[in-house]
Amino acid sequence: ETGVTQTPRHLVMGMTNKKSLKCEQHLGHNAMYWYKQSAKKPLELMFVYNFKEQTENNSVPSRFSPECPNSSHLFLHLHTLQPEDSALYLCASSPHVGGTGELFFGEGSRLTVL
Amino acid sequence: AQTVTQSQPEMSVQEAETVTLSCTYDTSESDYYLFWYKQPPSRQMILVIRQEAYKQQNATENRFSVNFQKAAKSFSLKISDSQLGDAAMYFCAYTPKETSGSRLTFGEGTQLTVNP
Repeated sequence: ETGVTQTPRHLVMGMTNKKSLKCEQHLGHNAMYWYKQSAKKPLELMFVYNFKEQTENNSVPSRFSPECPNSSHLFLHLHTLQPEDSALYLCASSPHVGGTGELFFGEGSRLTVL
Repeated sequence: AQTVTQSQPEMSVQEAETVTLSCTYDTSESDYYLFWYKQPPSRQMILVIRQEAYKQQNATENRFSVNFQKAAKSFSLKISDSQLGDAAMYFCAYTPKETSGSRLTFGEGTQLTVNP
């Protein structure tokens, strides 16, 4: 596989469930990102990891817990979510934080919280 | 704070014709990058074109070109000879150069429809 792969593509969960989103990049990049895309709103940066270290947390509620075990994998652990957390969650990567600014995105995980 | 504004929620164009998508931004930085990303129904965001603020020459990528007006803080995208595959949501984005790649600010997007 090439590029940035996200699984699952669709996820439906109740407010008391615990689930995880997975992102894997095959580009040899060292920086990975989580973005939230809600309808009628600009993309919101959630977390940034550079060489496995979290470099940015954009005031995200603790019910979202990121994990970056290595530069190729990024997880977003979800627990006790709210209906307003329903959105498309996009993972992206870049060679490192900085550079030309171009991000490479996955296809996203569509999350519905009931 | 930096903001990016796309004033056209929806646009449509006839196949083979030209369409221009508008974007304005607000920043106090002097050096930065501007981008246009495309998000087709498959949802994967793809970079269309990038402009460096210190370069006066407008960027061009095949049928896609930009009109970058730094003083006016305007960054429009022109799509020439529109094709059905150009139908997508288009996002304008900005990042200051010193933190590029970690603080991309996006506009709300413009949904482009291409009519056959």
